[in-house]
Amino acid sequence: GAVVSQHPSWVICKSGTSVKIECRSLDFQATTMFWYRQFPKQSLMLMATSNEGSKATYEQGVEKDKFLINHASLTLSTLTVTSAHPEDSSFYICSARDQGPGQGRSSPLHFGNGTRLTVT
Amino acid sequence: AQSVSQHNHHVILSEAASLELGCNYSYGGTVNLFWYVQYPGQHLQLLLKYFSGDPLVKGIKGFEAEFIKSKFSFNLRKPSVQWSDTAEYFCAVNNQGGKLIFGQGTELSVKP
Repeated sequence: GAVVSQHPSWVICKSGTSVKIECRSLDFQATTMFWYRQFPKQSLMLMATSNEGSKATYEQGVEKDKFLINHASLTLSTLTVTSAHPEDSSFYICSARDQGPGQGRSSPLHFGNGTRLTVT
Repeated sequence: AQSVSQHNHHVILSEAASLELGCNYSYGGTVNLFWYVQYPGQHLQLLLKYFSGDPLVKGIKGFEAEFIKSKFSFNLRKPSVQWSDTAEYFCAVNNQGGKLIFGQGTELSVKP
């Protein structure tokens, strides 16, 4: 089945540094990928929609200069947390929908394993 | 704005008990509905989905959900839970290819 690979699975960084998280669709094409953030004991919050070849669409309240998204190919989207601070510590999850031939717009999302970011 | 509400934050059951997790959404148009499960230390997995047709949807591991359009609900059920069902369950809604909006999640603890 369709697999989404997310890397790294966990990262610890110092305050002020930047961290890049990769999200790859391994056996399907995804013109659109989604980035979520999960706070402890809370729901997944959609941060932004990553669009291949164009700018990402950010949800209200998400700082686009803080969370840089690049979707350079049909199988790769990256999220860069710039100048990370302890409050950015969270669990980040990406997802992608198989949008290849024969797949409708409502095919289920496939999720990556998530990235646990800890900013010290 | 579209929203999803899960009624229970934490549910504790004994093995063999029946389970029902509530999910209500607010969106007037046609929706697709999902239940995802996240087992401890693992990633999200699709449990079941509803797009159209029979409102009673059967998923994996004996789970089922019923879409009641008049109530804007999509409750998850299982007749007899097992210890291995201990996980967090998320209800989600999207408006046909749009953004997937999640509920707050329900943590299920099953006591052996």
